[in-house]
Amino acid sequence: AQSVAQPEDQVNVAEGNPLTVKCTYSVSGNPYLFWYVQYPNRGLQFLLKYITGDNLVKGSYGFEAEFNKSQTSFHLKKPSALVSDSALYFCAVRRSSNTGKLIFGQGTTLQVKP
Amino acid sequence: DTAVSQTPKYLVTQMGNDKSIKCEQNLGHDTMYWYKQDSKKFLKIMFSYNNKELIINETVPNRFSPKSPDKAHLNLHINSLELGDSAVYFCASSQEGQDLYYGYTFGSGTRLTVV
Repeated sequence: AQSVAQPEDQVNVAEGNPLTVKCTYSVSGNPYLFWYVQYPNRGLQFLLKYITGDNLVKGSYGFEAEFNKSQTSFHLKKPSALVSDSALYFCAVRRSSNTGKLIFGQGTTLQVKP
Repeated sequence: DTAVSQTPKYLVTQMGNDKSIKCEQNLGHDTMYWYKQDSKKFLKIMFSYNNKELIINETVPNRFSPKSPDKAHLNLHINSLELGDSAVYFCASSQEGQDLYYGYTFGSGTRLTVV
């Protein structure tokens, strides 16, 4: 079975500081990993993905994520947080052999304070 | 033009009623999904259709029945609504073979409240 864990319900950072939102996964075979963001009263928006290759992947709005196979982690990072980054962030995983079935973590609320 | 549109945006109804939520995508995608987001923001897949064919059917009560009249539409009908059905329901779409690169496109959700 596939699963995703986001250990923090909420992450608070000050504007301008680096941010990290944690994600660990469990999947048999090679994982495809994703981050999505949800702004209030909106649907989810795709941020970035890891399929294969370089462990550091870059996505929208200056976000990046690092794939660590030994730690089965895919943490989301940004060097300098903006107040507008405040939102709900979801990590998701899909087995490489399992077309379409994207499993989401429980979400982490990011609060960036001015 | 909204890429994935859901109607209605809000739905308040009494227990025991039957209701439908509609979803349409104008992206030309061949796969559509229904996800349920509960009060704790947890997202769980319910159904997926590829070219009108059901490919994912998670453990969902029989009261929930998806229907895909064509690949641009995926509707969700719910019979005998219960309090526990209160949630935000998200429709999403993707193109098989491209979803890894472009992800899913989500609608803005339908907030269902059962009273």
